[in-house]
Amino acid sequence: AQKVTQAQTEISVVEKEDVTLDCVYETRDTTYYLFWYKQPPSGELVFLIRRNSFDEQNEISGRYSWNFQKSTSSFNFTITASQVVDSAVYFCALSEARYGGATNKLIFGTGTLLAVQP
Amino acid sequence: DTAVSQTPKYLVTQMGNDKSIKCEQNLGHDTMYWYKQDSKKFLKIMFSYNNKELIINETVPNRFSPKSPDKAHLNLHINSLELGDSAVYFCASSPGGGNTEAFFGQGTRLTVV
Repeated sequence: AQKVTQAQTEISVVEKEDVTLDCVYETRDTTYYLFWYKQPPSGELVFLIRRNSFDEQNEISGRYSWNFQKSTSSFNFTITASQVVDSAVYFCALSEARYGGATNKLIFGTGTLLAVQP
Repeated sequence: DTAVSQTPKYLVTQMGNDKSIKCEQNLGHDTMYWYKQDSKKFLKIMFSYNNKELIINETVPNRFSPKSPDKAHLNLHINSLELGDSAVYFCASSPGGGNTEAFFGQGTRLTVV
């Protein structure tokens, strides 16, 4: 069965610290997709990144970086030099290549609340 | 221009009432969704439509009925509202399958009293 585990319920850091949010997934499929979404206090869900199961290259976007390791079924997210505006709930999600490409069923983790203190 | 818009943003209603939430996307996507976020922030898919056709119905009580008049709209009607229906409901859209990202609306906070 598909499952996404975000073991860290809450993390509190001081501004400018680096922080890593962990995500571990389970799937029996060989083709799957991993996502990170951000939910700031205003409540909307903001897409951050998508990775395909066949592409294990790490990715960096500004202060954000993602480490995808199939060997450990992990897709971790690091924020470098955190800022107060990074305070949000971060969700990791998994989807599988099913439904003939017609739809994308996201299986979400339980989220990690990141609080960045000034 | 808002890509995925839902109305209303807040909805407070009494038990037993019937209510609807509307969703529209202007991204030209073929697929639309309803997700439910409970009080613990847990997000779970409810329905998915592709070009007005129901693809996913995730064992949601039949008091919930989605309707897609065209591929840009996906509305959610809820009959006989119960206290446990209180949640944030998110509409989303994507171009298609798992290799595409979903874009979410701002959510509708439903409170049943």
